[in-house]
Amino acid sequence: GENVEQHPSTLSVQEGDSAVIKCTYSDSASNYFPWYKQELGKRPQLIIDIRSNVGEKKDQRIAVTLNKTAKHFSLHITETQPEDSAVYFCAAKLFSGGSNYKLTFGKGTLLTVNP
Amino acid sequence: DVKVTQSSRYLVKRTGEKVFLECVQDMDHENMFWYRQDPGLGLRLIYFSYDVKMKEKGDIPEGYSVSREKKERFSLILESASTNQTSMYLCASSPGDSSYEQYFGPGTRLTVT
Repeated sequence: GENVEQHPSTLSVQEGDSAVIKCTYSDSASNYFPWYKQELGKRPQLIIDIRSNVGEKKDQRIAVTLNKTAKHFSLHITETQPEDSAVYFCAAKLFSGGSNYKLTFGKGTLLTVNP
Repeated sequence: DVKVTQSSRYLVKRTGEKVFLECVQDMDHENMFWYRQDPGLGLRLIYFSYDVKMKEKGDIPEGYSVSREKKERFSLILESASTNQTSMYLCASSPGDSSYEQYFGPGTRLTVT
């Protein structure tokens, strides 16, 4: 099966700084890599995703990069704001038959943006 | 707007009780999932279902079973609750086809005493 490692487990930045969270995956057959944000007391929600045929994707202040050779992908948040404070989860989807919709999640990164 | 609901936000049960957690989605999604969320351990998949009456074990199925008799409803069953099953339980659904986004419910905080 797939194994996803996520670093760091906690990250504290000043408002306006950039934040980077990194994940590595084990199975080269994985082909879809989403990032979820979970604010305190709320449900996880998808914020950005990337498929294996793309190297980078941006959406306003957030971007995701994928390096298939090294089997790692990263979330970049620029100009951080206090409302970016949350737990962020990366995930990977293995392209495999009946389990084609199963995601394996990293353990999460608690991002704190200090005003 | 996709809506995933769970039967309870908070639940307190005694050791040995049979516990049912229910999840309902209203968007005709093919796939449904049950996760357990514990501090420092992230989201761990217990079971998932890709069709009515179909189920597959996730990474931590021991002590749990599931039921999907209707497309919109996916139940998680703890046959005999134990204290190590105290956790936050999250249900999710995803459409299928080429869409892999999972939509999560609000979670059920289960405490087993």
